[in-house]
Amino acid sequence: NAGVTQTPKFQVLKTGQSMTLQCAQDMNHEYMSWYRQDPGMGLRLIHYSVGAGITDQGEVPNGYNVSRSTTEDFPLRLLSAAPSQTSVYFCASSYSGAFYGYTFGSGTRLTVV
Amino acid sequence: SQQGEEDPQALSIQEGENATMNCSYKTSINNLQWYRQNSGRGLVHLILIRSNEREKHSGRLRVTLDTSKKSSSLLITASRAADTASYFCATDGGETTDSWGKFQFGAGTQVVVTP
Repeated sequence: NAGVTQTPKFQVLKTGQSMTLQCAQDMNHEYMSWYRQDPGMGLRLIHYSVGAGITDQGEVPNGYNVSRSTTEDFPLRLLSAAPSQTSVYFCASSYSGAFYGYTFGSGTRLTVV
Repeated sequence: SQQGEEDPQALSIQEGENATMNCSYKTSINNLQWYRQNSGRGLVHLILIRSNEREKHSGRLRVTLDTSKKSSSLLITASRAADTASYFCATDGGETTDSWGKFQFGAGTQVVVTP
């Protein structure tokens, strides 16, 4: 099993550009989440999904869109990149977020210039 | 705002010593989890404790939960240099099942274990 796979690992964007961060899991997990991690602030939840076709906002959803058309994939779209979105982004999945731990991907380091 | 807050922010100990870190949270929970993050890597799940549990063990890890004080502690016994990492607690909302699995993380405790 590959676990949770995030691509790309590194990305530099210019302000105003858009892009999609990819996340895929092969564990048939229903729950998937996107977090961003900034120095000294821990992880903050961006968007969340409990299954295909179901998404919900987290703490910091502005500037990001998600969709969940399949159980395996949960892409995160940056609509118009801003320097404030420079961060490390983590995708995570869980069999059942209510009673099981999350498996994290290795992260995407994004810089917006 | 963050649900969980770890204390201390940083901890430096020698190999063989025990490391204790605490987590306080603000609202009721369904469960609380602890994660480890090595520098530059993704988070690794360590242990989950449910709101109706008071203590849980996993190898050299011991987690306690006091829901009346809205706090949890993580104890690492007989620490090793390989335990050097950041440790995070994560809590979900317990008021409704809609918030179960929707975790918020604290800022973490940085632990350095020197040989």
